[in-house]
Amino acid sequence: KNQVEQSPQSLIILEGKNCTLQCNYTVSPFSNLRWYKQDTGRGPVSLTIMTFSENTKSNGRYTATLDADTKQSSLHITASQLSDSASYICVVSPTGGFKTIFGAGTRLFVKA
Amino acid sequence: KAGVTQTPRYLIKTRGQQVTLSCSPISGHRSVSWYQQTPGQGLQFLFEYFSETQRNKGNFPGRFSGRQFSNSRSEMNVSTLELGDSALYLCASSLARGGGLEQFFGPGTRLTVL
Repeated sequence: KNQVEQSPQSLIILEGKNCTLQCNYTVSPFSNLRWYKQDTGRGPVSLTIMTFSENTKSNGRYTATLDADTKQSSLHITASQLSDSASYICVVSPTGGFKTIFGAGTRLFVKA
Repeated sequence: KAGVTQTPRYLIKTRGQQVTLSCSPISGHRSVSWYQQTPGQGLQFLFEYFSETQRNKGNFPGRFSGRQFSNSRSEMNVSTLELGDSALYLCASSLARGGGLEQFFGPGTRLTVL
């Protein structure tokens, strides 16, 4: 069964610190893996999108990595800001037009 | 280019009523997917429409239905509302089916059932 699991469930860090969020998936084969940021009560906003052949993608202070062998992805946030407080969702799209699989998300709290 | 729009943004209904939510995708996008998100829960897939046809469906009761028009705009209907239907309903549009290309989300409709 295709699954996407994220860890940790929630995380509290101090402003200015770095953090790494994890995503383990069993979806195979897949066409792309994405990370979204969702502020409370808003729709998710895309941060990065990687195909199965890519192993890293950056978007400002956000860097996503992908290890297709271990079926793991991570999202690294550098020099965190208060505005980074949000849920981060890992999403994997199988090939063949099948349903996209969403992780449950990691809730990040950045404290001053 | 305008993003995905959803109307209304907020809605309050009572149990037993029915509701219709609307989603306008990004111009040129033919796939519209609907999701339910409850507090503390991940996004739960409702259904996907592509070229006016339902292509995929999640595990929701028949009270949840949808349709897509020839201009790719989509509506979602929930009949006989229950308290547990209170949630943020999100739609996402994409060029291709199945979210194989990037999905762009709307701001959501916050539905409260009293």
